[in-house]
Amino acid sequence: AQSVTQPDARVTVSEGASLQLRCKYSYSGTPYLFWYVQYPRQGLQLLLKYYSGDPVVQGVNGFEAEFIKSNSSFHLRKASVHWSDSAVYFCAVRGWWAGAKLTFGGGTRLTVRP
Amino acid sequence: AQTIHQWPVAEIKAVGSPLSLGCTIKGKSSPNLYWYWQATGGTLQQLFYSITVGQVESVVQLNLSASRPKDDQFILSTEKLLLSHSGFYLCAWSLDSSNERLFFGHGTKLSVL
Repeated sequence: AQSVTQPDARVTVSEGASLQLRCKYSYSGTPYLFWYVQYPRQGLQLLLKYYSGDPVVQGVNGFEAEFIKSNSSFHLRKASVHWSDSAVYFCAVRGWWAGAKLTFGGGTRLTVRP
Repeated sequence: AQTIHQWPVAEIKAVGSPLSLGCTIKGKSSPNLYWYWQATGGTLQQLFYSITVGQVESVVQLNLSASRPKDDQFILSTEKLLLSHSGFYLCAWSLDSSNERLFFGHGTKLSVL
């Protein structure tokens, strides 16, 4: 069965600092990997996705993630965070075939101190 | 442009009472539709998905049911709420089953007392 682990439930950083949110997945086969962000009282929005090719993928608002197959990881990074990045971030995995179920991790709540 | 609308924004209901949550998608014909549930402080669980009118697949059993009476409408309901139903319910759509991107509504916050 597929699963996603986000080991850090909460992360607090200062504005301007660099950020890494960790994500480890379990999936047999070639995974589709995603990062979604949930702002307060809103639905989720896609930040970036990876299926194949360059293991470092660029997303919106300066976010990027790196797929490391040997480590089953898909960590999210940003060089310099802004207070508006405060939100909950979800990593997710699914298969590539039609109808594959999308499995989310537990989420990481990011707080950016001004 | 496509829009997704969920209603109500929030509900406070008593244990044992019925529930109906709605979701409509405008600007896209024959979307794939999904219901997700997020327990307070928890992760998202996919509850149902539908690829066409009248056809709904259950993913997780939570004493809830879903229906798709029209192409652009997805309804989540139960006749008897449990305390464990509290949480945040999100409707989402995608272009088709092979499309990896989900578009989420703003969600409905449900408190069962």
